[in-house]
Amino acid sequence: GAVVSQHPSRVICKSGTSVKIECRSLDFQATTMFWYRQFPKQSLMLMATSNEGSKATYEQGVEKDKFLINHASLTLSTLTVTSAHPEDSSFYICSAWDPGGAIPYNEQFFGPGTRLTVL
Amino acid sequence: DAKTTQPTSMDCAEGRAANLPCNHSTISGNEYVYWYRQIHSQGPQYIIHGLKNNETNEMASLIITEDRKSSTLILPHATLRDTAVYYCIVRVGNTGNQFYFGTGTSLTVIP
Repeated sequence: GAVVSQHPSRVICKSGTSVKIECRSLDFQATTMFWYRQFPKQSLMLMATSNEGSKATYEQGVEKDKFLINHASLTLSTLTVTSAHPEDSSFYICSAWDPGGAIPYNEQFFGPGTRLTVL
Repeated sequence: DAKTTQPTSMDCAEGRAANLPCNHSTISGNEYVYWYRQIHSQGPQYIIHGLKNNETNEMASLIITEDRKSSTLILPHATLRDTAVYYCIVRVGNTGNQFYFGTGTSLTVIP
């Protein structure tokens, strides 16, 4: 299947700093990418939908000024956590939609996740 | 998208079939049933999906009831590496729309 990568896999930062997480589709062009957050022992929570060349659509309750999403190309979306605080510590996962997926209707592929720890 | 209900946890003996149920009583006619799994601290992995017919691939089988209100994921010969959280999601297929994850079933395969 298609491959989605995330960088970094782990990041530790001080409170008040900003952290950028990259999501790349390695072997396909992703019109749409999604960002999820997962707290320990909880399910994935969709944060936002990112469409190439346009503004992201955020889920209710997600602060768009705190979680900046940029989808400047068909293979790269970035999530920047601005002024991070300890409560932002979480596992952040992206997924990418491949409209031309080789397996019919299995069109969404997930990255391996990024573990953010804010001290 | 319709909501799903899954048992919180299940155990299965290694080498036996693991049957994971999912209820989706409010599913719409154009919504597919998708199954993903997540091994600890990794991204979700696609398993299988279907609309109304039963489906089988190299990983699993998906049995959907005739009224489509429930389905069962079957792992025919569970191994220790199948220990994971399994998510059943219903969604209109191949539209680029979002997946909304429920709580999933934590499957533990026991040696």
